[in-house]
Amino acid sequence: ETGVTQSPTHLIKTRGQQVTLRCSSQSGHNTVSWYQQALGQGPQFIFQYYREEENGRGNFPPRFSGLQFPNYSSELNVNALELDDSALYLCASSRIAGSYEQYFGPGTRLTVT
Amino acid sequence: KNEVEQSPQNLTAQEGEFITINCSYSVGISALHWLQQHPGGGIVSLFMLSSGKKKHGRLIATINIQEKHSSLHITASHPRDSAVYICAVTSGSARQLTFGSGTQLTVLP
Repeated sequence: ETGVTQSPTHLIKTRGQQVTLRCSSQSGHNTVSWYQQALGQGPQFIFQYYREEENGRGNFPPRFSGLQFPNYSSELNVNALELDDSALYLCASSRIAGSYEQYFGPGTRLTVT
Repeated sequence: KNEVEQSPQNLTAQEGEFITINCSYSVGISALHWLQQHPGGGIVSLFMLSSGKKKHGRLIATINIQEKHSSLHITASHPRDSAVYICAVTSGSARQLTFGSGTQLTVLP
């Protein structure tokens, strides 16, 4: 157990809807990164939050947005869902931005129909 | 071409066999990671290395910085080793991870 939790575990949404996924980082960690893992692929970096600010972003459109709260928990929001957004969404926390060690949560499985 | 390439994609072995999974990368990195992912999705870090070799139990990871290549070895493999093994590199301003596509390992009793 890494101490990183995610909710919900699974959810099913319809194309065009919006979704919010949540991540609680490990105690003492102030940086959260989000990754998308399509079936049979390695995870892809979406973005990172450090002290409530976006600290880096991968090649994802603006309809993928995030928040980090003062307690360092984080949300990933996806608007206008597309079928290709179906994936496992992983968050990972690290002690500081720039730390090489990241601790992963169990993931949220999103299915878009 | 992906920045991180793994081989093989799938590997089936008999219990007790010596296993090698390879990883090549094409970008400058700060560190290389070997991760294990079980069905259901959870990812566990096995090794983080930037040079040389590390060993933990039956697992050994090596990296050759000049050749931009790393290997993960499992000695005396066991069915409980069956999982997806993923190579990832730390790069970029956010020290984000760039992942390979993973190797599905199945160890038969």
